[in-house]
Amino acid sequence: AQSVTQLGSHVSVSEGALVLLRCNYSSSVPPYLFWYVQYPNQGLQLLLKYTTGATLVKGINGFEAEFKKSETSFHLTKPSAHMSDAAEYFCAVSDGFQKLVFGTGTRLLVSP
Amino acid sequence: NAGVTQTPKFQVLKTGQSMTLQCAQDMNHEYMSWYRQDPGMGLRLIHYSVGAGITDQGEVPNGYNVSRSTTEDFPLRLLSAAPSQTSVYFCASSYSMAASGYGYTFGSGTRLTVV
Repeated sequence: AQSVTQLGSHVSVSEGALVLLRCNYSSSVPPYLFWYVQYPNQGLQLLLKYTTGATLVKGINGFEAEFKKSETSFHLTKPSAHMSDAAEYFCAVSDGFQKLVFGTGTRLLVSP
Repeated sequence: NAGVTQTPKFQVLKTGQSMTLQCAQDMNHEYMSWYRQDPGMGLRLIHYSVGAGITDQGEVPNGYNVSRSTTEDFPLRLLSAAPSQTSVYFCASSYSMAASGYGYTFGSGTRLTVV
C-alpha cells in the first residue's frame, strides 16, 4: 500500500531564507507525486507534480521539488521565502491504481 | 471553466438538524470525493464515487450519505448533525480515482459548525 510521511507539522523560516519541506513516500510501483498548497480559508491547489521524465520539477511561485527514487523522497524547496508563502503544504502519492494518498500537511510560517 | 464549486461556504447547524452540502464540477470528471479537514488530522476521506450511480465509503463515513445521479454533482448529506461533525469539508474530483498524472481538483470548501 502507498503512504506518505511529511516530517514536521510546522516549519518556521525568516523572509528570504531557504524553504525546505520534507516528504517521503512508500509505493510498490513508480509513483506519481504531488505537492498541494492551501492558503488560509481556501481549498487545496496544485503546486507541482512529478509523473515521469525529469526528476527536478518546477512549480508555481518559485517552488520546485526533486524526485529521488533511492531515498523515496520528494522534498519541496524554494530558495527565498516570501511572506505570501505562509500556508499549509500537502504532499500526495498515487501508484496509478489506487486513490491519491495525502500526507498530514506541514504549516509553513514566514517571519519578517 | 468553474472547476469544482461547493455551496454553501459557511453553515451553522443545530444538533440533530440535517443538511446537504453541494458539490458540482464542469470538467466531466468521473471521480468525485468528499474529505473533511480537522486541525492536526490532515484530510480524511468520507465517501467517493467513480462514476454516476457508483459510490463507496472512505475512512470516516459514519453520519454521512452520498449519491451520484449525474456526472456533474456529488452532494453530501448529514442526516442528524452532531458537534463532532464540525469541520471544513472539501470536495475533490479527477478524471480517474488513481489521478495518475492529473491529481485532484479541489473546491474551496464548506466550513460547518454544529452547535
